[in-house]
Amino acid sequence: DVKVTQSSRYLVKRTGEKVFLECVQDMDHENMFWYRQDPGLGLRLIYFSYDVKMKEKGDIPEGYSVSREKKERFSLILESASTNQTSMYLCASSSGLGGLFTEAFFGQGTRLTVV
Amino acid sequence: SQKIEQNSEALNIQEGKTATLTCNYTNYSPAYLQWYRQDPGRGPVFLLLIRENEKEKRKERLKVTFDTTLKQSLFHITASQPADSATYLCALLAAGNTPLVFGKGTRLSVIA
Repeated sequence: DVKVTQSSRYLVKRTGEKVFLECVQDMDHENMFWYRQDPGLGLRLIYFSYDVKMKEKGDIPEGYSVSREKKERFSLILESASTNQTSMYLCASSSGLGGLFTEAFFGQGTRLTVV
Repeated sequence: SQKIEQNSEALNIQEGKTATLTCNYTNYSPAYLQWYRQDPGRGPVFLLLIRENEKEKRKERLKVTFDTTLKQSLFHITASQPADSATYLCALLAAGNTPLVFGKGTRLSVIA
């Protein structure tokens, strides 16, 4: 079974802190994604990557950065956390070469609260 | 502008009935469309994928249709059970090198 593991289920951080959200997948997938999910807004894509050391901006990249140094790990970084970044963060991975994304496998989510 | 819409935010049905959820899209020509289930506080789980050249796909009590003329997919759960209560998301692949785009979901409640 594919497993996508996010480092924390719940996280509380202070405004202005630098926050790292880690995601690891164990199925050798090329593609990895970070979404945030808010009530009424659905899943919104922050960043994605379809190869090591490659990254692409999604729909809402402002205030975030990512790192993909190894194929199995995709990190989301909140450079200076703000209260409007309080959200559920979901990491996903999928197979598919050349950017052809197939079904996505999601982690369990990280509920981040910025106070 | 490009949009993917799931018409109902919430749907309540009686146990044993067929639940039908709708996903409409505009200004996309998707290669395929997917449906996911999401339980509260958890990540979405993939259910079914249907390609643009397929009209219908089935898996156990689930059935998905894909009408590229109407730009619509219907997701059916037959003989629904309270355990089917969840939020269901549709997602489409807009083009060859872009990630999935998700609808906002429909929260289904199956009442015993």
